[in-house]
Amino acid sequence: DAGVTQSPTHLIKTRGQQVTLRCSPKSGHDTVSWYQQALGQGPQFIFQYYEEEERQRGNFPDRFSGHQFPNYSSELNVNALLLGDSALYLCASSSYKLSSYNSPLHFGNGTRLTVT
Amino acid sequence: ILNVEQSPQSLHVQEGDSTNFTCSFPSSNFYALHWYRWETAKSPEALFVMTLNGDEKKKGRISATLNTKEGYSYLYIKGSQPEDSATYLCASRNYGGSQGNLIFGKGTKLSVKP
Repeated sequence: DAGVTQSPTHLIKTRGQQVTLRCSPKSGHDTVSWYQQALGQGPQFIFQYYEEEERQRGNFPDRFSGHQFPNYSSELNVNALLLGDSALYLCASSSYKLSSYNSPLHFGNGTRLTVT
Repeated sequence: ILNVEQSPQSLHVQEGDSTNFTCSFPSSNFYALHWYRWETAKSPEALFVMTLNGDEKKKGRISATLNTKEGYSYLYIKGSQPEDSATYLCASRNYGGSQGNLIFGKGTKLSVKP
């Protein structure tokens, strides 16, 4: 049973560039959430995708966008990268249809993005 | 802005010691409280999801309590082992927040020395 997988594991980009991070949810899950963990902080909610639509969004600028594909996998895109975007980006999956009020999230290992 | 606070920030204990740490969260609009264990170079792993005031959950040597009226949760580890070394994250889910929309604390980093 494959868990949540993220790629790439590490990425180095230059200010102003654009980046795409990828996530495959745990088998049987249909919902993907993205989190940013900056150094010394807890993970911060970016947005959640279900049925190929963004359902909820945290306090992040429009430079952060996403997509969900019919196979439930997801991409996080960040445009016009800033130094402050350097962080660990975590993907978490869950099942909207099968979950209950006390279902946990299942996380991937994250993608470490460094912006220079 | 809703903040989840965890204390202490880090903790160093000897093997065999019992330890506990605290998560405080806004009690208004509370829906659920999550605890995750995060080992270095791995993914956060769910320990507990708690929703009811006074709830207590246990998983082996680890247990947690929840007080939704005053907005805090305790995580206890009995007889710490080196393999318990990890960062322990708590996260709150509020009414109106979707299943994937959690507000995380900064974590408590536990180091257990053999």
